[in-house]
Parts: sequence; structure tokens; C-alpha cells
Amino acid sequence: NAGVTQTPKFQVLKTGQSMTLQCAQDMNHEYMSWYRQDPGMGLRLIHYSVGAGITDQGEVPNGYNVSRSTTEDFPLRLLSAAPSQTSVYFCASSYRDRQGYYGYTFGSGTRLTVV
Amino acid sequence: AQSVTQLGSHVSVSEGALVLLRCNYSSSVPPYLFWYVQYPNQGLQLLLKYTTGATLVKGINGFEAEFKKSETSFHLTKPSAHMSDAAEYFCAVRKSSGANSKLTFGKGITLSVRP
Repeated sequence: NAGVTQTPKFQVLKTGQSMTLQCAQDMNHEYMSWYRQDPGMGLRLIHYSVGAGITDQGEVPNGYNVSRSTTEDFPLRLLSAAPSQTSVYFCASSYRDRQGYYGYTFGSGTRLTVV
Repeated sequence: AQSVTQLGSHVSVSEGALVLLRCNYSSSVPPYLFWYVQYPNQGLQLLLKYTTGATLVKGINGFEAEFKKSETSFHLTKPSAHMSDAAEYFCAVRKSSGANSKLTFGKGITLSVRP
């Protein structure tokens, strides 16, 4: 099992450029989410999806778009990159275990720098 | 809103010493609580989780945590620190087992282990 795969691992963008961070999981998990990690801030939820065709905003959604056309993929789009979006981005997928509780599997992250 | 507080941003212990990382949650109902570890340049790995039942939860790598409702705490401990424990540790809370319940992280604590 590949688990949760994020690409690219590193990216440098110029202010105003757009790009898509890819996230794919092969575990048939219904729930997927995007977080950003900044020093001293922990991880903050950007967007999440409870299934194909369903997305919702998290804590810090501004400047980001998501879509969920398939169960496997959950791309994160930066519409017009800003230096404030310099961060490490993590994608996670979630499963419901036998007791009915959710466990999370995280990708290895994308380190984004906006100059 | 659900939240967790991790006091301090950095803890330093000697190898072989007790590790204690503090986490307090705000909740009017017993939540689901998690501890994650992040090694340098890696994603997040689940150490342990509390859902229901036994309040003392054992995790991987010799870590354990005790859920204390009266203190709204979920502190992480390890009797004897090892050099390989040096990492960043995150406490996280989820309000319920429902699909729309979000995983909220604390700001993280960096653990250093001195030889």
C-alpha cells in the first residue's frame, strides 16, 4: 500500500502564480483533508471532504480551492500565491475503524515557498 | 469550538529521564484525543489515541497518556527518554466520531533529548 501520496515534495512559486498540490490515497478512505503547518501554529485545517463530490471549508480556507471528483484524489489549488502561503502542506485521509472511530493517515508533506 | 492547549513550545530532557508533555483540552463532553509525533522532515505518525474506555492509553515506542476528565488533561509520558524520541509532538482533539467532526491540533512541542 502506498498510503497517502503527495506531490510535489518541494515547490517554489512566484507571487501571483497558481499551482495545484496533488494528494492521492489508495486505501478507499472516504474522508480526506488538507492542513498547513507553520512554526508555532501547529496544523490548521484548510479544507476537507467527507466523500466524492462533497467538500467543506476548514479553519483557514482563504486563497485555496479543492475538489473531490474521485474517492482517491483530493487536489489543493492555490489560485494566486502569496508569501503568506509559504508553509508545509499535509494531506490526510481518514478511515473508520472497527469501533467506529476515525484514524488518520498523513502524507509526507509538500514544502511550498512563495517569493 | 474544540481546542487543545500544549504548554510551552520546547522541552529538553536527558537520555533516560522521564518525558512529560502536557496537553489540556476544552470540551463540554468527553472528546476523542490523540497524540502524534513528527520526526524531522517527515509526516505525522499516530502515537496513541483515546476514544472511550480505559483512561490510561498505551501507544507505540513506550509512550502512554492518561485521560483525566476532572483536569481536562491528556498528558503524554514515557518513563525513560531515548535519543530517537527527539521530535515534535502534537496533541489533537476530535469532538465526535461523526464524519464531519474535525481534527484540531495543538501548536506542538519540540522534544530534545540530551546525551
